[in-house]
Amino acid sequence: DAGVIQSPRHEVTEMGQEVTLRCKPISGHNSLFWYRQTMMRGLELLIYFNNNVPIDDSGMPEDRFSAKMPNASFSTLKIQPSEPRDSAVYFCASGTGGIRELFFGEGSRLTVL
Amino acid sequence: DQQVKQNSPSLSVQEGRISILNCDYTNSMFDYFLWYKKYPAEGPTFLISISSIKDKNEDGRFTVFLNKSAKHLSLHIVPSQPGDSAVYFCAASTGGGNKLTFGTGTQLKVEL
Repeated sequence: DAGVIQSPRHEVTEMGQEVTLRCKPISGHNSLFWYRQTMMRGLELLIYFNNNVPIDDSGMPEDRFSAKMPNASFSTLKIQPSEPRDSAVYFCASGTGGIRELFFGEGSRLTVL
Repeated sequence: DQQVKQNSPSLSVQEGRISILNCDYTNSMFDYFLWYKKYPAEGPTFLISISSIKDKNEDGRFTVFLNKSAKHLSLHIVPSQPGDSAVYFCAASTGGGNKLTFGTGTQLKVEL
């Protein structure tokens, strides 16, 4: 079975540019999470969706960040405009009711110059 | 406000010895706790979990202990192997859901 698929794996961009990260959750999973890994805060929850509806976006750092889930098999995390402090690894994870664990993708490493 | 804390950023142990990774939490509503393991350039993978109604859960070389009164849990790895070298994240959730709050991670290095 395919796991959570994220793209791109690596993104290098210049400050001010728009960045779009993509995620395909595991088929049949109804919850999707976006996390960011930093040294200071570990795995930090940015936003999560349940049945394609955003439930909690309190972790989104600023208005520069936005996320969408237009259907059950696709989600995007957009940063516009990007800044050097956004450099991090962004993980997407999916899960399903009755199972307390989440399944993570391999991450998208973002470098903003 | 870090609700899940891993105060040791790194730990080094010898092969064959016990590795003990610690985690503290502040939210008394947490009712389920998990450990994830992460290798470089990979996503975190689930390792072992424990419900708040238990104080111990064992799976092969891995055992998780929960002390609710102290709001503390630990992961024991016995015996430690070089392949266990990774970052270990502690996580917690509430209310039957799967929204996980993670700690900052502990880098374990198992030396030959």
